[in-house]
Formats: sequence, C-alpha cells, structure tokens
Amino acid sequence: QSVLTQPPSVSGAPGQTVSISCTGGGSNIGAGYEVHWYQQLPGRAPKLLIYVDNNRASGVSDRFSGSRSPTSASLAITGLQAEDEAEYYCQSFDRSLGGLVYGGGTWVTVL
Amino acid sequence: QVQLVQSGAEVKKPGASVNVSCKSSGYTFSIYRITWIRQAPGQGLEYMGWITPYDGSSHYAQKFQDRFTMTTDTSTATVYMQLRSLTSDDTAVYYCARDRVSWHSYEKDHWGQGTLVTVSS
Repeated sequence: QSVLTQPPSVSGAPGQTVSISCTGGGSNIGAGYEVHWYQQLPGRAPKLLIYVDNNRASGVSDRFSGSRSPTSASLAITGLQAEDEAEYYCQSFDRSLGGLVYGGGTWVTVL
Repeated sequence: QVQLVQSGAEVKKPGASVNVSCKSSGYTFSIYRITWIRQAPGQGLEYMGWITPYDGSSHYAQKFQDRFTMTTDTSTATVYMQLRSLTSDDTAVYYCARDRVSWHSYEKDHWGQGTLVTVSS
C-alpha cells in the first residue's frame, strides 16, 4: 500500500492530453512538501521529469507539466506520443516517516 | 558527465547478506546525498535510506533500520549498501540515486542502472 495514491492506469490517443493525479495526506503533500515526478520505461531506471511541483528537469519536453493543490498534485502530458508509454511515479517527503514516499505508479497507454 | 555505476546482479540464499556498490563520477562526490531505492518485480518504488558522503550522516527507513547499512568511501567515490537476513521478499532491483541539488534535495536526477538481487533457496 503506497503512501501516495495514483490511478493504476490512464490512456489516450496520440495527440491527446492525459493527466495523472497523486493524492497525499497531512504529513506529506498536505504539509507543504514538494512533489516530483518520474518516468520509468520497462527495464530502465526512473528518469526525473518534474521537480518541485512544476519545474521540468533538464532536457524534458515541454509537453510534460506539473501542478499541485493543497493535498494533491497532477502530471499532464499533452500531445501524447507513442514514446510516452511508460510508468509514471510521484514522490514526496513524509515528515511522520522521515523519508521519501512514492505513489504506486500509473501506466500510460497510448492507444 | 555524471554517472552512477552499480555492481552486478546477485543471487543469495535466504538468511544471507548482500552487498551492492554504487560508484560515482563526473561531480563532487562528497556533497551530494545518495539514496537507495528498491523495486520488487512488477511493483513500485520503495525508499530505503540515504547517506551524505561528506560526513556519513544518514537516514534509514524504519522498515529496514535493523538490517540495512550504508557506507561511503570518499577515496573511490563509492557508496555501499548491505542488506542482511534476506528473505524472498527482498528480491528486487536496487537503485542508487543522487540528489539533484548539492547537500540536500528530495528529487533525484541521476540514477544507477540498478542491481537485481534474487533471494532463492
């Protein structure tokens, strides 16, 4: 059971926009800790996409964007492409646990 | 360029210990925290702990606190992890990852290639 909650899967046709939610609680996102997003292709290490809620990591396409509200965050992928098919994870810090916490991951399918 | 290179795959029997190394290059090793994260087959990411090479300060996830140790060797820019009393539940890919910002940041911008640890009798 992951501390942060993500939908198991989302899908969209090429060119469409998909959004992935990440919901936390009062000791992590709700406490103001930043949210970060990673993309993981099958068999590969995770890759940082978005850091501190809405900042794109170096070399990341501007089709990826992040946003947050008091207890949740979202990753949006616009102009969906076949290469975006991957697992996406959100990450934050939890002050009760004293360490990093992750969402369970969301698989994005490009139809 | 920044690189984190991990040691190779391991097969261990239940009850044994495993050591995994993570060798860094391309940046000032001592001032960037290294975090260990694991991923069981078909599962999500799980935080294990982090260590700052400069002074060896560390944090361990409570789940692993009594059987997990991280150490650093600044002369070779290498971080080591040891996980003891292995069970089949420890079968996973183990990653080391570097903070994006020196001294402290929660996001990880460089990752090792991963080390598969298989625990089987």
